[in-house]
Parts: sequence; C-alpha cells; structure tokens
Amino acid sequence: QVHLAESGGGVVQTGRSQRLSCAASGFTFSTYGMHWVRQAPGKGLEWVAVISSDGSFKKYAASVKGRFTISRDNSKKMLFLQMNSLRVEDTAAYYCAKDRGDNTNWPDYWGQGTLVTVSS
Amino acid sequence: QLVLTQLPSASASLGASVNLTCTLSGGLTPSAVAWHQHQPEKGPRFLMKLDSDGSLIKGDGLPDRFSASNSGTEHSLTVSSLQTNDEAVYYCQICDSGFPVFGGGTRLTVL
Repeated sequence: QVHLAESGGGVVQTGRSQRLSCAASGFTFSTYGMHWVRQAPGKGLEWVAVISSDGSFKKYAASVKGRFTISRDNSKKMLFLQMNSLRVEDTAAYYCAKDRGDNTNWPDYWGQGTLVTVSS
Repeated sequence: QLVLTQLPSASASLGASVNLTCTLSGGLTPSAVAWHQHQPEKGPRFLMKLDSDGSLIKGDGLPDRFSASNSGTEHSLTVSSLQTNDEAVYYCQICDSGFPVFGGGTRLTVL
C-alpha cells in the first residue's frame, strides 16, 4: 500500500535553512505529482508546493515563493523541500502528499508529517 | 479567489449522524470538492472527492458511513453511526488557481 514518510524536521533559528525529505513506497512514484502541505500550530492545512511527476513543473504558495524549493529524485522515490531564510511563521508540521495524477491538485495519500520549529 | 468556510466545531452522540458543511464563496463554482480527515497524532487521510457531475471517488477502505453531497455553494460531508475514532478535524478542499485550497476545518467531537 501507499506509504509516505517525512523526515528532516527539527528546531532551527530564523534565517537558517532546513531540508525535508519524504520517502515514498507502494506506488509508481515517477508517474505522480507530489505536494507539500503544512499545518501551523492551532491552524488548518496550508498548501505549500507541488511538483510534477518528472520534476519539470513546480508551483509554490505565495508565502514561500523564492525561499522554498521543491524537488524529487525518482530513482530513489524521494521528495524534498529545501527551506531557506526560515521565519517564525514557517513553524509547522509539514506533510508530503501524493497527487491523484500528475498535478491534478487533488491529494489522495498523506504522510505522518515532520515538525519544523523556527525559533528567534 | 474562492473561500471555503467551515464551522470550527461540531458534536454529535455516539451512534448518531452528523452533517459537516463547507460553504464556497468568492468565485466560480469549482468542478469538485474533496474531504480529508485529520485525526490527532496522525497524518491527514483523503476521504472522498465529489465532482459537480455527481461522480464520486472514495479513499481506500472508507466505510459506507461516510457520504458527501452538494447543493450549489454548500457542500456537505455526512458521517453516520458515529464512532469514537471519527473524532477528528475534517477539511474540505478545492482546486483554485491551479493549487489546492483548504477550508479552515471542522473539529468533530463524538459525545
């Protein structure tokens, strides 16, 4: 079955960088778009970024554009989120999610999440 | 830009039914609405996606106790025969301007 496992979270100071990873299994990773979605403490879900199956198309939420970079390694079935110039408001649980197709924008499987805490 | 409005909380008794609503405003009616369940200490779970033409896609292993409907700008998720493990935050979701947009979520308490 589909399994997504995020890693790389932790405590980081404002202005620094952090790289999140998501290991995928149970489906043909290279044929699906993938998303990052986050949830700040006490808040709802906020979409962060999407990448197409071959990595050629990427889109970002306005709140992270220019600071975050989504990427993937299909040979290793891995999804990444490089987060630079981190801000306190980036503190959140970060979830990777599989798209139903190739950037249909309908997530259908989610990981357990990894917590990023940005401290000043 | 479309806005999805959900009541912050809802409650119902064990074994009863509850209807969770998601009201759309601010733009064209989307082609579909999806629902996701987020239980404490877990990742979210896709429940179902209801298209405007009535076609329904359900998540893996979803019990028939979960159903969705829509009426114009109001979309609903109904959970019947409530169980304690139905306690969760339920999010509606659309696709707007080329990316997923989530409602604020409704926290469901089973009494």
